[in-house]
Amino acid sequence: KQEVTQIPAALSVPEGENLVLNCSFTDSAIYNLQWFRQDPGKGLTSLLLIQSSQREQTSGRLNASLDKSSGRSTLYIAASQPGDSATYLCAVNTDKLIFGTGTRLQVFP
Amino acid sequence: KAGVTQTPRYLIKTRGQQVTLSCSPISGHRSVSWYQQTPGQGLQFLFEYFSETQRNKGNFPGRFSGRQFSNSRSEMNVSTLELGDSALYLCASSLGLAGGDEQFFGPGTRLTVL
Repeated sequence: KQEVTQIPAALSVPEGENLVLNCSFTDSAIYNLQWFRQDPGKGLTSLLLIQSSQREQTSGRLNASLDKSSGRSTLYIAASQPGDSATYLCAVNTDKLIFGTGTRLQVFP
Repeated sequence: KAGVTQTPRYLIKTRGQQVTLSCSPISGHRSVSWYQQTPGQGLQFLFEYFSETQRNKGNFPGRFSGRQFSNSRSEMNVSTLELGDSALYLCASSLGLAGGDEQFFGPGTRLTVL
C-alpha cells in the first residue's frame, strides 16, 4: 500500500531564507508526483509536476526533485516571502493521487 | 481559460439528509476526480469519472456516488448524511485519465452536517 510522508509537519522561518520541504513514498511505481499549495479553507493550487522519468522541475523560485528509486522528492523554495505562507502538499500519482499530510509553512517578515 | 468550478461553495445539512455537489472541469478536460479532505484523515480519493464512466473508486461506503455528463461536468451525491461526512470536498480535472496527467483542483465545497 502506497504511503506518503512529509517532513517537517510545520516550519516557521524569517523572510529571505531558502527552504527545503521533504516528501517520501513507499512504492516507486508511480506515474508522476505533484506538489500543491493550499491556503486555509481553499482548494489546491498545482505548483509543479514531475513525471516519473524526470529528475527535477523548476518554476520561478521553486525547484522540485524526484528520486524514484529511493522514494523521495524535495521542494526547494528560494528566497522565501510572507506570501509563501501556506500548507504544501505532495501527492504521488498511481491511478489516483495519494497525498501526504502536508507541511505548514509560515514565513514572517 | 476558466479553472475548475464547484458549486455550491458552502452547504449545511442535517443528519439523514442527502446532498448533491457539482463540479465543472476545465474546458476540454475529460476526467473528473473527487476527493474528501478532513483534519483527521487528510485528503482521500473518492472516485474518478472519464467519458461518463466511473474508472476508479476509493474506499468509501456506497452512500457516496457520482456521475458524469456528456459535457464532462460531474456531480457527487451523498445520501443519509452522517456527522463524519463534514468535510471539504474537492474535485480535480485532467485532460486524460487521472493516472499520468496533471490534476487541477477547484476551490471545494465545504459541507457541514449537523
